[in-house]
Amino acid sequence: EPEVTQTPSHQVTQMGQEVILRCVPISNHLYFYWYRQILGQKVEFLVSFYNNEISEKSEIFDDQFSVERPDGSNFTLKIRSTKLEDSAMYFCASNPDRTTYEQYFGPGTRLTVT
Amino acid sequence: KNQVEQSPQSLIILEGKNCTLQCNYTVSPFSNLRWYKQDTGRGPVSLTIMTFSENTKSNGRYTATLDADTKQSSLHITASQLSDSASYICVVSAKGGSQGNLIFGKGTKLSVKP
Repeated sequence: EPEVTQTPSHQVTQMGQEVILRCVPISNHLYFYWYRQILGQKVEFLVSFYNNEISEKSEIFDDQFSVERPDGSNFTLKIRSTKLEDSAMYFCASNPDRTTYEQYFGPGTRLTVT
Repeated sequence: KNQVEQSPQSLIILEGKNCTLQCNYTVSPFSNLRWYKQDTGRGPVSLTIMTFSENTKSNGRYTATLDADTKQSSLHITASQLSDSASYICVVSAKGGSQGNLIFGKGTKLSVKP
């Protein structure tokens, strides 16, 4: 069964460094999302992406965040200058079209900022 | 403010027993409600999705109910198995909102003991 994949599974970085989290959504899906989950807290929406542009973003998704679909398969989340509070699990999700409610989540990348 | 509250926070049951998890929401206008299962360190996996007109939906041993008038949902797990140990997250989508802008509950952590 097709699934969303994410790499790396765990990323450790120093405060102030740039990180890129990678996702490969399911191949025929058109809508892509990033969420984060700080340890012990709720999953929070960051951004949705369709047709090569951001369709919606939350107030968490400030100027230090950016997303890109550099080729036909990858979907990336870049954090320009990481802060300690960026430490969290980051989940990528996708769904095939706007009428399909179900989103398929990847396994997540655990980001640790030291 | 759109919110999703779940109870209990955690629950321990013996293998083979049934249990019911609760979700109350204040999301308006309502579009759909989803229950996800999240294993530790993994991404959420969809169990059920219900729209306004649906008041019950089953997926194997999982049965979700929805009362849109009282804004309550429950997830009933029948004949629990050790593999049911996970967090169960209630997620509500507002009508007119983007599919990415889901409102997540904090989850109920279920432990099934032998």
